[in-house]
Amino acid sequence: DSGVTQTPKHLITATGQRVTLRCSPRSGDLSVYWYQQSLDQGLQFLIQYYNGEERAKGNILERFSAQQFPDLHSELNLSSLELGDSALYFCASSAGTSGKFFGPGTRLTVL
Amino acid sequence: GQQLNQSPQSMFIQEGEDVSMNCTSSSIFNTWLWYNQDPGEGPVLLIALYKAGELTSNGRLTAQFGITRKDSFLNISASIPSDVGIYFCAGQFGNSGGSNYKLTFGKGTLLTVNP
Repeated sequence: DSGVTQTPKHLITATGQRVTLRCSPRSGDLSVYWYQQSLDQGLQFLIQYYNGEERAKGNILERFSAQQFPDLHSELNLSSLELGDSALYFCASSAGTSGKFFGPGTRLTVL
Repeated sequence: GQQLNQSPQSMFIQEGEDVSMNCTSSSIFNTWLWYNQDPGEGPVLLIALYKAGELTSNGRLTAQFGITRKDSFLNISASIPSDVGIYFCAGQFGNSGGSNYKLTFGKGTLLTVNP
């Protein structure tokens, strides 16, 4: 158990819909990272938040957004969903430069 | 952007054998991390390397941070069936002032251990 929690575990929705994925980092970790994992692209960095502020952006689509709340949990919002958005979405947390600990992921299926 | 080349892509070995896999990059990293991932689960951190030339062990696992900061290897000794999974290397290059420490991942090495 990494100490990072994610909900829901599985999500099935239709094209055009909007979903919200939730992540709670390890106790004390200020940084939260979101990653997308698909078969063809591997693990891709989406976005990072540090203590409530956005710190880095990767290959995140404009239809996707995220935020980190005062209690440090984070949400990833995916809108106008397309079939190609089906993937595993992971949240990771860390304390500064230390190794990142990943949550169990949310498997998103867009039908 | 930064690219990580991880090899081999897959390995099929017998229980008890030693395993070696490596990662190379066209860019310098400040940190190298090695993860193992079971299907449908999140990556699990195995070893973190923070200094060029650093050699670190975690049980039967040993990893080294290359002197050039552009490569790393992971060795598994005396493999057992539960070592199966996908092993990922990841490089991290962060600016210390901005708390920007995103990871760039390799494509993974699929390890199968036959009992």
